[in-house]
Amino acid sequence: DAGVTQSPTHLIKTRGQQVTLRCSPISGHKSVSWYQQVLGQGPQFIFQYYEKEERGRGNFPDRFSARQFPNYSSELNVNALLLGDSALYLCASSLGSSGNTIYFGEGSWLTVV
Amino acid sequence: GIQVEQSPPDLILQEGANSTLRCNFSDSVNNLQWFHQNPWGQLINLFYIPSGTKQNGRLSATTVATERYSLLYISSSQTTDSGVYFCAVAAGSGGYNKLIFGAGTRLAVHP
Repeated sequence: DAGVTQSPTHLIKTRGQQVTLRCSPISGHKSVSWYQQVLGQGPQFIFQYYEKEERGRGNFPDRFSARQFPNYSSELNVNALLLGDSALYLCASSLGSSGNTIYFGEGSWLTVV
Repeated sequence: GIQVEQSPPDLILQEGANSTLRCNFSDSVNNLQWFHQNPWGQLINLFYIPSGTKQNGRLSATTVATERYSLLYISSSQTTDSGVYFCAVAAGSGGYNKLIFGAGTRLAVHP
């Protein structure tokens, strides 16, 4: 079975641009979460979606938004990119909304120049 | 919010050695996972262990929820064990999984 898949794997954007990252969860999983990992630190929670509804939001500005589609895949959008948005963006999926094993994808490396 | 502390921050081992990594957390949790992050950035789930003891090959983990700590044991270490080990917890309040990660233990295993 396929794991959590993310695209693109690497991308370079210019300050002020917008980026969309995509994620497909493990088959049967209804929850998708997004995390940001800056070099040298642990991942930071951005959003969780369950059954197409936002269930949780971390301490990130409104420039960050996400959605989940009927097939449970998800997109993370970041507007007005800043240099500080350069990071590894990780998508995770789980069966339920809480208390389940969480599995991560390989991530999308975003560089803002 | 929940605080997660991992120790040691860095660990250097010779191949074949054993090690213990520790994770302390500040509040009750309903989710605790150990991850290994490889050099390419992928987070690999090692254990889902909010309480109790589990073993998987050379790795084992124990969580004592009442005392708010978890231990990850690596036996007979191999060079492929190198990377960063993260402990992450979630309280589950609000009915969602917000994993709080520790700063990680950076492990280097030399041949």
